[in-house]
Amino acid sequence: DAKTTQPTSMDCAEGRAANLPCNHSTISGNEYVYWYRQIHSQGPQYIIHGLKNNETNEMASLIITEDRKSSTLILPHATLRDTAVYYCIVRVDDNAGNMLTFGGGTRLMVKP
Amino acid sequence: NAGVMQNPRHLVRRRGQEARLRCSPMKGHSHVYWYRQLPEEGLKFMVYLQKENIIDESGMPKERFSAEFPKEGPSILRIQQVVRGDSAAYFCASSPRTAAGYGYTFGSGTRLTVV
Repeated sequence: DAKTTQPTSMDCAEGRAANLPCNHSTISGNEYVYWYRQIHSQGPQYIIHGLKNNETNEMASLIITEDRKSSTLILPHATLRDTAVYYCIVRVDDNAGNMLTFGGGTRLMVKP
Repeated sequence: NAGVMQNPRHLVRRRGQEARLRCSPMKGHSHVYWYRQLPEEGLKFMVYLQKENIIDESGMPKERFSAEFPKEGPSILRIQQVVRGDSAAYFCASSPRTAAGYGYTFGSGTRLTVV
């Protein structure tokens, strides 16, 4: 699976949009981009995933560049409860049951 | 629809004892993954199981650790003769299929403390 690079930490003001970048320059054509987050001491929580097109759900939006070498997770109106470590993961789709490999993630601190 | 259930939430064991961690996947999910998170570290994959089969155990320590997912009942992660270094949070995830494009659902974890 392709490796991802994320900033170690970011701050965001409460109520503003949080834009979390992720580089995955070696991504393959059949690899999806997944985003998870882990709020302190809790289990990881699925946020969103995509292959080529931009995606939006009730939690966030995922913007994937046309060459698929990078993506951005957008939390449109960050709240204090969005403070967490955010993980960007790419995973091949080959029905082999490949596990999700978590890197260091981005520690997002939402401040009042 | 209950999520992934892990129990116990907290487990304290003395060095040398056995620890048994249980994971009940979401209804309809037949794939289970175990991860370990040491204090102040990231999540590390341990093992992937389907019903009655271990599919990938590349992340499992060679000794003292075992996992099963029987036809009936929860998946069990078993740690024999625990040592202080086994103290960690153990998370279980489940999914209904193996293909990408479907996210895993994680449980709340079991915090193991070895004293």
